[in-house]
Amino acid sequence: QSVLTQPPSVSGAPGQRVTISCTGSSSNIGTIYAVHWYQQVPGTAPKLLIYGNNNRPSGVPDRFSGSKSGTSASLAITGLQAEDEAEYFCQSYDSRLNGHVFGTGTKVTVL
Amino acid sequence: QITLKESGPPVVEPTQTLTLTCTFSGFSLSSRGAGVGWIRQPPGKALEWLALIYWDDDKRYSASLKDRLTLTKGTSENQVVLTMTNMDAVDTGTYYCALQKVNGGVSFYFDPWGQGTLVTVSS
Repeated sequence: QSVLTQPPSVSGAPGQRVTISCTGSSSNIGTIYAVHWYQQVPGTAPKLLIYGNNNRPSGVPDRFSGSKSGTSASLAITGLQAEDEAEYFCQSYDSRLNGHVFGTGTKVTVL
Repeated sequence: QITLKESGPPVVEPTQTLTLTCTFSGFSLSSRGAGVGWIRQPPGKALEWLALIYWDDDKRYSASLKDRLTLTKGTSENQVVLTMTNMDAVDTGTYYCALQKVNGGVSFYFDPWGQGTLVTVSS
């Protein structure tokens, strides 16, 4: 059972902006621990998209951005492109469980 | 370049023990701070963290699965072995290993990931 909650799906037309929320609690996102985001294209392994709340690894377009506030975090995709169609997962660390926790996942569809 | 690759049986019978090996290159698990984690994903479902082993042999397990999991360093210095006992159909899924990166002591994430290995629990 996932500890972090995400909307099952979001969609947008090419060029639009979409956001994905990730809701946690006072033992994970609400702590000092950072939130990270992964992109998973069907049939492939997850790929790191955002780390440390709002940092992009080398090679990730600046269309992707992350933020964290309170017990929630968000991933924004601006200028949506067809290649962005994938599943997105958030991840953090939970101090009560003493382990990593993932979100329920959000499927992004480009209309 | 850092790479990881999982290997193990594609099919396991119910109640049996699953043994998976993660073979990696491009980093040393003997280096201070290094850690290798295991994450699984049932078909069409979310990712679930399972376990993590650190360079100093410290191990962390998912609270819900800790009684069934054991992590060890392999006989080769570039391998990590995960065993999961008493397998059930609900354990069917793709199992990934990944390098844990740490940033500032408050940022723990996985990058890169192996390609994953699909394990089906069936008689």
